[in-house]
Amino acid sequence: GQQLNQSPQSMFIQEGEDVSMNCTSSSIFNTWLWYKQDPGEGPVLLIALYKAGELTSNGRLTAQFGITRKDSFLNISASIPSDVGIYFCAGQLGGAQKLVFGQGTRLTINP
Amino acid sequence: DTGVSQDPRHKITKRGQNVTFRCDPISEHNRLYWYRQTLGQGPEFLTYFQNEAQLEKSRLLSDRFSAERPKGSFSTLEIQRTEQGDSAMYLCASSLLAGEKLFFGSGTQLSVL
Repeated sequence: GQQLNQSPQSMFIQEGEDVSMNCTSSSIFNTWLWYKQDPGEGPVLLIALYKAGELTSNGRLTAQFGITRKDSFLNISASIPSDVGIYFCAGQLGGAQKLVFGQGTRLTINP
Repeated sequence: DTGVSQDPRHKITKRGQNVTFRCDPISEHNRLYWYRQTLGQGPEFLTYFQNEAQLEKSRLLSDRFSAERPKGSFSTLEIQRTEQGDSAMYLCASSLLAGEKLFFGSGTQLSVL
């Protein structure tokens, strides 16, 4: 089963607002990844994090790998309509090849 | 780099029928993964190949499921005697190296009637 707790489950915001979501786990991960998924499509990689404490940006997106290696957050600044979708965190356990995914955060933007 | 390609995009079948899905990974990637995603959930790991070797299988992969990657390039996922509970999005992903980021295809949406 899932080992990642992602919150919030859903967000309803106004266009232009900043967004923050996070992912926590009881396990230590070596890698954290953030994906965005549109309806009927596969997840698209947004940001990859490889070191504890690492802070990485991709345009208006910023993500951090928690110091304890058990959490990560994703921030989106100045949201726009195309940011609508479901955001997933995913972690890779040490020695394992597979990714473990969170339950997703559904982002809805009111124009 | 044409990305990960999956075929078909959609499949509707009757309970008890067999179905087969195909995945073509990014050409230089030697690692290939299959995931299953049900509505409102994140993707769940099914199985993983390094080249042609199937190295890990999830307990989710019952005896009715079989995956192959005969030449270390494309992969197929077959489900025999489909059940309604098999209805889901089946996602394929590939990566270049262990621990590297996974790139996903658009998925195959399976509906079992």
